[in-house]
Amino acid sequence: DGGITQSPKYLFRKEGQNVTLSCEQNLNHDAMYWYRQDPGQGLRLIYYSQIVNDFQKGDIAEGYSVSREKKESFPLTVTSAQKNPTAFYLCASSISGQETQYFGPGTRLLVL
Amino acid sequence: AQSVTQPDIHITVSEGASLELRCNYSYGATPYLFWYVQSPGQGLQLLLKYFSGDTLVQGIKGFEAEFKRSQSSFNLRKPSVHWSDAAEYFCAVGQGFGNEKLTFGTGTRLTIIP
Repeated sequence: DGGITQSPKYLFRKEGQNVTLSCEQNLNHDAMYWYRQDPGQGLRLIYYSQIVNDFQKGDIAEGYSVSREKKESFPLTVTSAQKNPTAFYLCASSISGQETQYFGPGTRLLVL
Repeated sequence: AQSVTQPDIHITVSEGASLELRCNYSYGATPYLFWYVQSPGQGLQLLLKYFSGDTLVQGIKGFEAEFKRSQSSFNLRKPSVHWSDAAEYFCAVGQGFGNEKLTFGTGTRLTIIP
């Protein structure tokens, strides 16, 4: 089955720690996205990548970093500079040049 | 910049009743419009999308939406809701022209009462 997988489902971060959220897709999509979801605020774009080895900041990139070394993978690192990381993180992908995005199941990040 | 407004934070509907969820957008050109549904703790599933052509769009699970340019709206409707429709619904707008970025509304939470 083609789709997007995110791991882990739940992630706990300690103060001052960097954590990495995984996103993998086997849809052969060129574009991938990371969103942050907070209650009552909808989805906000963190980073997106339209092609391997290239990515752009979204609306709330501060305190986050990404890499795109492989077409199927787009990991997100939540750095210690992100002071309020508790949220639900969603990864999505789309065919290059098309707006329809397909979403993974999400990772919930909690701070200890 | 484009924006999306979903004026209803929470709607409660009886099972079997009709449903309309409101979505208003702001964008200068013809937008690309989407409705997604999210069950608790899950990702988003695409219900339907409008790019051009017929302004009444049919989607999955018996949902439809109508694009009204004069009102800058893209309201989601269902003639008879089922308990399984309880979820959060998000409207989104894209710019088209190969720009894949979407802007999402803040969502409407739907509760179904028996």
